[in-house]
Formats: sequence, C-alpha cells, structure tokens
Amino acid sequence: NAGVTQTPKFQVLKTGQSMTLQCAQDMNHEYMSWYRQDPGMGLRLIHYSVGAGITDQGEVPNGYNVSRSTTEDFPLRLLSAAPSQTSVYFCASTAGNTEAFFGQGTRLTVV
Amino acid sequence: GQQLNQSPQSMFIQEGEDVSMNCTSSSIFNTWLWYKQEPGEGPVLLIALYKAGELTSNGRLTAQFGITRKDSFLNISASIPSDVGIYFCAGHGSSNTGKLIFGQGTTLQVKP
Repeated sequence: NAGVTQTPKFQVLKTGQSMTLQCAQDMNHEYMSWYRQDPGMGLRLIHYSVGAGITDQGEVPNGYNVSRSTTEDFPLRLLSAAPSQTSVYFCASTAGNTEAFFGQGTRLTVV
Repeated sequence: GQQLNQSPQSMFIQEGEDVSMNCTSSSIFNTWLWYKQEPGEGPVLLIALYKAGELTSNGRLTAQFGITRKDSFLNISASIPSDVGIYFCAGHGSSNTGKLIFGQGTTLQVKP
C-alpha cells in the first residue's frame, strides 16, 4: 500500500523556469492538499481540493497552480520559479476532517 | 484566517525526562491532530482527537482536546533518544474541506 507518493524528491530550478510536482494517492481519498514547509513556520497550505474537478486556494497560493482531473492525482505547478519558492513541499490526502496522510516531500531549490 | 500558536519552539532535555507542549487558537477547531516529523520525512500522525475533553494515549504519549475546543496539549513521558524530531499540532476548522491548519512546530532534542 503506497499511500501518498510524491515525485521528484529533490529538484533544483533556475529562476523563471517552470515545473510540476507530482502527487498521487491510492487510498481513494476525496481531499488532497499541498503545503510548503519553511523553517520556523510549520506547514502552510498552498492549494487544496475537495474532489475531482474542484480546487481552491489556501494561505499562500501565489505563483502556484493546481488541477484535479482524477481522484488519485493532484499536481502542483510552479509557473515561473522564484528564489522565494525554495522550500520543502508536501502533498497530503485525507478522507475528510480526519487524519491526513503525507508524502515524503519534495525539496526544491530555486537559484 | 485561523492560526495555531504552538509552544515551546524548541526543547533540549535529558533522557528520561517528561515533555509537555501545547497549542492554542483564537477560534474553535473540530479536530486536533499531533504529528511527528523526522529529518527528510513527511509528518506522521501520533494522536488524533475528535471530541472536546477527549484524553487519548499512545504508549508514552498522551494528548488532550481542550474543553473549549481552542487548545490541545501533548505530553511525552520518560523521553528516549528516538523521540528527537519536530512535533506539530494541527487542526481542522469548521469547514468540511480536509484543510489542516498547522502550528509552528516544537523541535525536541534528547540528550542520552
């Protein structure tokens, strides 16, 4: 049982480049979310989805896009990477207002 | 928006000591969750609390959902070196969206 799978685990981008962080879950959860983790700030919500075809903004959405074409997948797109987006990104899924399961994270550096 | 204030930010303790950390909010939460994160990994659930006043244990860990629904604490008894990590509180607000609000984290170091 894989749970939540994120790829890649590490990525270095140049300022202005775009890329997509992949997230897939095999638990048939309705809800999926993307967080970024910066030192001393906990995890901050970027975007979330309550089901296929439905997404909404979280606390820090600027510079990121998401889509949810299937229940299983919830990719996060960086449109034009900036050094301020250097962070560790976590994808999570949950069946509702219950436990959230997290992927192992993507460590992104923008130079 | 909703925020959680977690304290302390960090703790450096001797093996065998007990540890206590807490989270408070200005608004009501319907669920309180406590996670532990080890280096290079995602957060892993330790304890989930779903009812005001609920007190739940998981081995040496005990957590409580405050009766006002605006706070929660986590206690670790008789700490051991493998307790090292970052502990986060998190909560679901009133909306049924699966969104979690996180505290800033407590970094725990245990000296053998």
